[in-house]
Order: sequence, then C-alpha cells, then structure tokens
Amino acid sequence: AQKVTQAQTEISVVEKEDVTLDCVYETRDTTYYLFWYKQPPSGELVFLIRRNSFDEQNEISGRYSWNFQKSTSSFNFTITASQVVDSAVYFCALSEALYNFNKFYFGSGTKLNVKP
Amino acid sequence: DAGVIQSPRHEVTEMGQEVTLRCKPISGHDYLFWYRQTMMRGLELLIYFNNNVPIDDSGMPEDRFSAKMPNASFSTLKIQPSEPRDSAVYFCASKGTNDQPQHFGDGTRLSIL
Repeated sequence: AQKVTQAQTEISVVEKEDVTLDCVYETRDTTYYLFWYKQPPSGELVFLIRRNSFDEQNEISGRYSWNFQKSTSSFNFTITASQVVDSAVYFCALSEALYNFNKFYFGSGTKLNVKP
Repeated sequence: DAGVIQSPRHEVTEMGQEVTLRCKPISGHDYLFWYRQTMMRGLELLIYFNNNVPIDDSGMPEDRFSAKMPNASFSTLKIQPSEPRDSAVYFCASKGTNDQPQHFGDGTRLSIL
C-alpha cells in the first residue's frame, strides 16, 4: 500500500484562483514528519515545509497554507491567488521515527498548471 | 550558503560506458542521500550515508550501481556498465540531523543511448 497518496495527478487553474493540493498518508508510527516539496519545470526539488506529528496547527506563509489533520491522515496544501510561477509538480512526503526519519516516502506528485 | 551541488547537470553516454555522478553536500550535514526519479517509479531512495558510512543501500537496483563517500564533502554514484534503463534524473540530498528536512541538489539528467 502507498504510504503517501496524492490522488490529483494534474490540476489546471487560471491565475488568481485558489487551489488545494491533497495529501493522504498512512503510518503506524506515532512520531513522524510530513513535508511538501516543489519541483518547477527547471527540475530542482525545493523544500517548502516540514510538520511534525505532534503539531496540528495550521501554517501560513504568504500565499501558501497547510492544513494538517491527524483524524483524516491528511496534510493538504493551499495556494491562494495562484500565479503562473506556482506552476510545478508538488510532492508530499512522510518520514517516520521507525527509520530515524531517514526514509522519505514520496507521493507520486501533483502537477499544477497555472494559466495566465 | 551553498546548497547541495551536483555534477554534471546533464550526461549523455552510450550503453556500456561507466558513468560517475558527483555530489557535494551542504557543509556540516551528516546525512547524504542518493535518489533516482523516473516517470514510472517516481522518486526512489537508492542509498544513504551517515557520517560517510553507508547505512542503507537496499534501494540500489543491482551490482552495476555503487556509491562511495570518501569524506564529508564528497560522494559519488557510479554505474558500470550503464544500460538504457538507467536513464533518469539522479538527485543527491543532504540533511543536518535526523529530524531535519532533506535539501536536494539540482539533479543530474542521465541519458544512456
């Protein structure tokens, strides 16, 4: 079974629309971290955020916000007022205490297309 | 601060040739990871090192692949002999302590003809 599921393969929006990228994870560990990475068309992987399993507070950073809900095992990512530069593939990832947080389980990614 | 540095950015070579990919982790980071990214399999962890020692190489596809970390600032991933199915983007990542995020290099796009 997939440890991290990103059910949305590809999403297209028009600039200034809000968009939410879904991430559902599966773990038996009580201590774990969740991450989001961005991969723009140039190919590099850029770290966006890390969240530990004990901190369910939502986080906002500019136009980006993250909603962590343990009850539904979800860690969703919302971009408000999307811009063309947000076009990228976004990966959600999980690391567990069981493996000393060294094994990252990546989702298959969601490709976001923001059109002008 | 310099990020993770990988070289070369692109490599095109013929089947059967030896390929060496290089990585310089972020200074002070104790962990180094090698990943492979393909459309079919996504991001796969190949091997990781802690303080220059290989800890888990269970993701290395076969004996044609080898990785070394002779010192804290340099690692190589070698494929010998290379095959067309090895074509992929190879990423190196490093992190400071256990619970820190991994920071990735820009990747090496490898094409084996």
